[in-house]
Amino acid sequence: DAGVIQSPRHEVTEMGQEVTLRCKPISGHDYLFWYRQTMMRGLELLIYFNNNVPIDDSGMPEDRFSAKMPNASFSTLKIQPSEPRDSAVYFCASSEDRRYGYTFGSGTRLTVV
Amino acid sequence: GENVEQHPSTLSVQEGDSAVIKCTYSDSASNYFPWYKQELGKRPQLIIDIRSNVGEKKDQRIAVTLNKTAKHFSLHITETQPEDSAVYFCAASGGFGNEKLTFGTGTRLTIIP
Repeated sequence: DAGVIQSPRHEVTEMGQEVTLRCKPISGHDYLFWYRQTMMRGLELLIYFNNNVPIDDSGMPEDRFSAKMPNASFSTLKIQPSEPRDSAVYFCASSEDRRYGYTFGSGTRLTVV
Repeated sequence: GENVEQHPSTLSVQEGDSAVIKCTYSDSASNYFPWYKQELGKRPQLIIDIRSNVGEKKDQRIAVTLNKTAKHFSLHITETQPEDSAVYFCAASGGFGNEKLTFGTGTRLTIIP
């Protein structure tokens, strides 16, 4: 398996623009997690899905953020409109069980100018 | 929910010496404690984990200890090498209703040649 695949690796966008981050989990993994990593806050869980259904979105910072998982092999995290404070590395992870076995993708480094 | 605290935030040790990173957790029902290593610009990767029915686990130069009574667990790296330089994250999987992993804030370990 190629692991968890994220795209793009880097994204630079202007404030106010829409940003879409993509993730392909490992086949057979029923759980998918979106994390945001910053120096100040470390790894923050934004939202996670089980069998394509959002289970806990309490970490989503505000209405500008939304996430979808239309099928078992694809998820998106969208920010609209983007702001400079959204600049961070966004990781997607997947697992067979929400308690353990998380495999992370390579991350998307987002810069909003 | 679960709260995980990690100390120290930065740690520098001489090559060949040992390094210890400590974490505490709040949910007494937590039963799974992994450690992740994140090299500069890379994804977090699982290096070792321990479950609540075990007090200590070793894998070559790394070991993890767990004290359930005190609700703390530690990562020990012996005979440190330059390639051990990275950010290390601890995590805990909580009890019923809170089973997802909660991460600590990370420790930046620097090995001085």
